[in-house]
Amino acid sequence: KNQVEQSPQSLIILEGKNCTLQCNYTVSPFSNLRWYKQDTGRGPVSLTIMTFSENTKSNGRYTATLDADTKQSSLHITASQLSDSASYICVVRPYGNNRLAFGKGNQVVVIP
Amino acid sequence: DGGITQSPKYLFRKEGQNVTLSCEQNLNHDAMYWYRQDPGQGLRLIYYSQIVNDFQKGDIAEGYSVSREKKESFPLTVTSAQKNPTAFYLCASSQNRQENTEAFFGQGTRLTVV
Repeated sequence: KNQVEQSPQSLIILEGKNCTLQCNYTVSPFSNLRWYKQDTGRGPVSLTIMTFSENTKSNGRYTATLDADTKQSSLHITASQLSDSASYICVVRPYGNNRLAFGKGNQVVVIP
Repeated sequence: DGGITQSPKYLFRKEGQNVTLSCEQNLNHDAMYWYRQDPGQGLRLIYYSQIVNDFQKGDIAEGYSVSREKKESFPLTVTSAQKNPTAFYLCASSQNRQENTEAFFGQGTRLTVV
């Protein structure tokens, strides 16, 4: 069973609208949780990183939240732009080792 | 500029051939990783290395080999034993500190068997 589950698998949103992506994980204990953005055919790029003691972290129009008690994280995209079309990957680093646990990604398509 | 570089971007291989994917970083990172990405799948770990001259198998190491002779370099060889090598390969590097450690990724190599 995958240790990191993301939903929805894919979604289409209108330009200018907001959306929220979900990440549920079972990795415990964990060191930190990151959200990456991956454009088609490119490597992932980090958007936010949160340790277990942090609840929220923003990067421009991207805001990530973390609830370590329920083992849930979300990524909120505000006022979406066409360039937000990408896969968003939730990544959890277990405490004590460097073997990252990856979700399968949320595929976001922004249409004009 | 500091970063992690993969080459080539596209690679074609005939069945039965070995090919080597290059990964170089100038971030002075201790740890380096190779992942495979297939459509609809999360990244899967092939091999990783925590320090020079040491590396460990990941979840899908069969049919692959690596070396870590220099801190900056972590090449991946896809051997003829890998039955389904067509995929997108990503190399990453990170420091070994726990808190706030971030993995930096290369731009990937798309390997196609023809």
